[in-house]
Amino acid sequence: AQKVTQAQTEISVVEKEDVTLDCVYETRDTTYYLFWYKQPPSGELVFLIRRNSFDEQNEISGRYSWNFQKSTSSFNFTITASQVVDSAVYFCALSGYNFNKFYFGSGTKLNVKP
Amino acid sequence: NAGVTQTPKFQVLKTGQSMTLQCAQDMNHEYMSWYRQDPGMGLRLIHYSVGAGITDQGEVPNGYNVSRSTTEDFPLRLLSAAPSQTSVYFCASSYSFGFTATSTDTQYFGPGTRLTVL
Repeated sequence: AQKVTQAQTEISVVEKEDVTLDCVYETRDTTYYLFWYKQPPSGELVFLIRRNSFDEQNEISGRYSWNFQKSTSSFNFTITASQVVDSAVYFCALSGYNFNKFYFGSGTKLNVKP
Repeated sequence: NAGVTQTPKFQVLKTGQSMTLQCAQDMNHEYMSWYRQDPGMGLRLIHYSVGAGITDQGEVPNGYNVSRSTTEDFPLRLLSAAPSQTSVYFCASSYSFGFTATSTDTQYFGPGTRLTVL
């Protein structure tokens, strides 16, 4: 069975703090993809990153970084020096070899206070 | 490209009414899906299609019908609306990927339809 768990329901930080959003997944597939999406208050889903199961390199994009560890089935997302504009709900998702089915976690609401 | 479009943006129904949520994409994607988003539950897959004429059920298909007569369109039908179907509905599309996926390939989502059933 495919499952994504985001145990942190809501996190509040003060601007410029670093924050890590946790994502743990379960799958029996040997090839799979992991994703992070951002949902700002306006409601649209914004794609942030995709990771392939066969590539465990961590990735950094500006203030965002992702730590993928197959050994612990985790795909965590860190925002460095958070900003008010980072306030949103963040979803972690899992798909198999083909992109026809995505399994989403329940989301983590991030509140960044000035 | 308009991407994935959904209509309407908002809808209020009475229990028992039927309606169709429209979804269209202009990216020539093979795969299209419908999700519902409920508070605290993330997005859950309702139905999906891997190409014109081919559909299948997702996690929560009861009360919904779909069909895919063209590559571009994937409407979602509520046959007899119930209050439990109050939700935000997202349509999504993607290519059929495998190892050839580029780093930015993903499933693209429409803006959503907020449905309230009274």
